[in-house]
Amino acid sequence: DTGVSQDPRHKITKRGQNVTFRCDPISEHNRLYWYRQTLGQGPEFLTYFQNEAQLEKSRLLSDRFSAERPKGSFSTLEIQRTEQGDSAMYLCASSRQGEQFFGPGTRLTVL
Amino acid sequence: LAKTTQPISMDSYEGQEVNITCSHNNIATNDYITWYQQFPSQGPRFIIQGYKTKVTNEVASLFIPADRKSSTLSLPRVSLSDTAVYYCLVGDLYGRDDKIIFGKGTRLHILP
Repeated sequence: DTGVSQDPRHKITKRGQNVTFRCDPISEHNRLYWYRQTLGQGPEFLTYFQNEAQLEKSRLLSDRFSAERPKGSFSTLEIQRTEQGDSAMYLCASSRQGEQFFGPGTRLTVL
Repeated sequence: LAKTTQPISMDSYEGQEVNITCSHNNIATNDYITWYQQFPSQGPRFIIQGYKTKVTNEVASLFIPADRKSSTLSLPRVSLSDTAVYYCLVGDLYGRDDKIIFGKGTRLHILP
């Protein structure tokens, strides 16, 4: 257990539905990251927060994806109108500076 | 961010020392070299990080030659539980932009 938690651990949804994932970072960490990982691939960077400010978004993050980090604590990642191609493991990581600590991930399956 | 190249997969036996080499020809002066380990259905876990020469911790050693264009992760006396994917990463992890760019990693399979 790294101290980073994610909820839910698994999510099955039908195509077209909206889903929201939550990440609780290590409390003193000001940086929070979201990654997506598909089978056989390394994690791909999606977006990054420093405190409550979203500083960078990957081109992978289409308009259907939105992330927030109100008050610079926990973060949510929402996917609207899910597609089968969104099926993946969504990983959250936090850091103060340098080493990133990853959560266990949320596995999304879109039917 | 410097691109890395590492073997796709490796097999070894319990009790052996395993060395995984990573190439990073375009490493920048400010870049550190970091290795992560990932088990199935878990997030990656930091193993070791270094800048030059040799770094050792309770889990592994990291060897970096003088030109820093490659690095070798050394796992002493591996066990079955070391079966995992190992990622080599380079970047300015203490800078403003420290997102991690993962490659496909090396799938290490330890045999009994």
